[in-house]
Amino acid sequence: QKEVEQNSGPLSVPEGAIASLNCTYSDRVSQSFFWYRQYSGKSPELIMSIYSNGDKEDGRFTAQLNKASQYVSLLIRDSQPSDSATYLCAVSTDSWGKFQFGAGTQVVVTP
Amino acid sequence: DADVTQTPRNRITKTGKRIMLECSQTKGHDRMYWYRQDPGLGLQLIYYSFDVKDINKGEISDGYSVSRQAQAKFSLSLESAIPNQTALYFCATRKGTDSYEQYFGPGTRLTVT
Repeated sequence: QKEVEQNSGPLSVPEGAIASLNCTYSDRVSQSFFWYRQYSGKSPELIMSIYSNGDKEDGRFTAQLNKASQYVSLLIRDSQPSDSATYLCAVSTDSWGKFQFGAGTQVVVTP
Repeated sequence: DADVTQTPRNRITKTGKRIMLECSQTKGHDRMYWYRQDPGLGLQLIYYSFDVKDINKGEISDGYSVSRQAQAKFSLSLESAIPNQTALYFCATRKGTDSYEQYFGPGTRLTVT
C-alpha cells in the first residue's frame, strides 16, 4: 500500500469552475502537508502548506486538512487554463522533514 | 538568478559510465535533498543532508552516492550508470528548523543508454 495516495486523473475542469483534489495518507503521525504544482518537464513548485486541521486559503487556493480521516485536499477556485498541471501531495512524517510524495493528479482546465 | 541551480540540465550517458549531477543554492538553507522522478511514480528520496557533516540515505540510495562539499553544494554521483537510472533528478533545499517547506531546483533529465 502506497503511503500517500492521489487519483491520477486527468481531472477535467471547465474554465472558471472549482477543481477539487484529494490526497490520503497512511501514517497517522504525519505532521506537515504540502501541495506542489508541476508543469510538464518542470520542477515542482510549492503552492500551499498546511500543518493543522481545518482550512487554509491563499488566493484562489484552499487547502483542507483532516487528520482524523487522514486526508488533505486542495481546492482551486475560478480555474484558469494556466492551472493545467500535475498537482503533487507531499506529507512529512518525521522531525527530519523527509517527504513522502503522491504520484500526482493531472488537472486539465478546458476553455 | 535562480535560488537553486542544477547542472547539467540534460545528459545522455552510456551504461557503466560514472556521472555526477551538481546542485548549488543561494538560499542559505542548510538542508538539501536529492530526488528522482519516474513517470507515474511521484518523487522518491535518494539522499538528504542536514549539513556538510551529515549525510543520510533515503528510500532508494542503492547505486548512488553523494557529497556535500559546502553548505551550498550537494552533488549526486552514479558510479556505474544503468538504464533503469534514466529519470528526472531534482535537488531540493529546506531552511531548517523554521519550516518544513522544500524548494526544488530545475531538474536534470538523465538518459542512460
